[in-house]
Amino acid sequence: AQSVAQPEDQVNVAEGNPLTVKCTYSVSGNPYLFWYVQYPNRGLQFLLKYITGDNLVKGSYGFEAEFNKSQTSFHLKKPSALVSDSALYFCAVSSTGGGNNRLAFGKGNQVVVIP
Amino acid sequence: DGGITQSPKYLFRKEGQNVTLSCEQNLNHDAMYWYRQDPGQGLRLIYYSQIVNDFQKGDIAEGYSVSREKKESFPLTVTSAQKNPTAFYLCASTTMGTGRESAGELFFGEGSRLTVL
Repeated sequence: AQSVAQPEDQVNVAEGNPLTVKCTYSVSGNPYLFWYVQYPNRGLQFLLKYITGDNLVKGSYGFEAEFNKSQTSFHLKKPSALVSDSALYFCAVSSTGGGNNRLAFGKGNQVVVIP
Repeated sequence: DGGITQSPKYLFRKEGQNVTLSCEQNLNHDAMYWYRQDPGQGLRLIYYSQIVNDFQKGDIAEGYSVSREKKESFPLTVTSAQKNPTAFYLCASTTMGTGRESAGELFFGEGSRLTVL
């Protein structure tokens, strides 16, 4: 069964500094990896995904993530954090695609960007 | 605009009552999902459906029921058998397909917050 670990409950970062949100995964076979963001009392919004190809994936709002197969990691990064990036971030993994998408979600990381 | 609509956004229920949460999508997606979100626990899958008139249990289906009579609609009923129903419920949908190239992201509704009094 697939699983995701997001080791930090909360990440605090000063505005303008680099932001990193960590994610490691476990899956049989090749992974499909996703990052989502959630603002208070809202649904999740898709940020980016890794399916195959280049290990560095670029997504919405200036976010990017790097797939590292040997470390089974998919850390989310942003070079310069904004106060508006304060939200809950979820990493998710699946071993199949399309409508068979039984995603396993991590517990989420609360990101707080300090002005 | 295309998207997923969940209603109601907030719902209060007395113990022993069944309640139904609505989820409608106009994205022409075949697959639809219901998740439950509790603080610090991430998202847990309740039920999912890949085609009309068919659905499968997720990881925490006990105390819940669903139907999929139309492609656009996937309502969730929280029954009185659900021991701890107070939570934030999220509906999602995605495209069907085969192979890695078709791995589509989930599109989520805005959620329904259920509180049992």
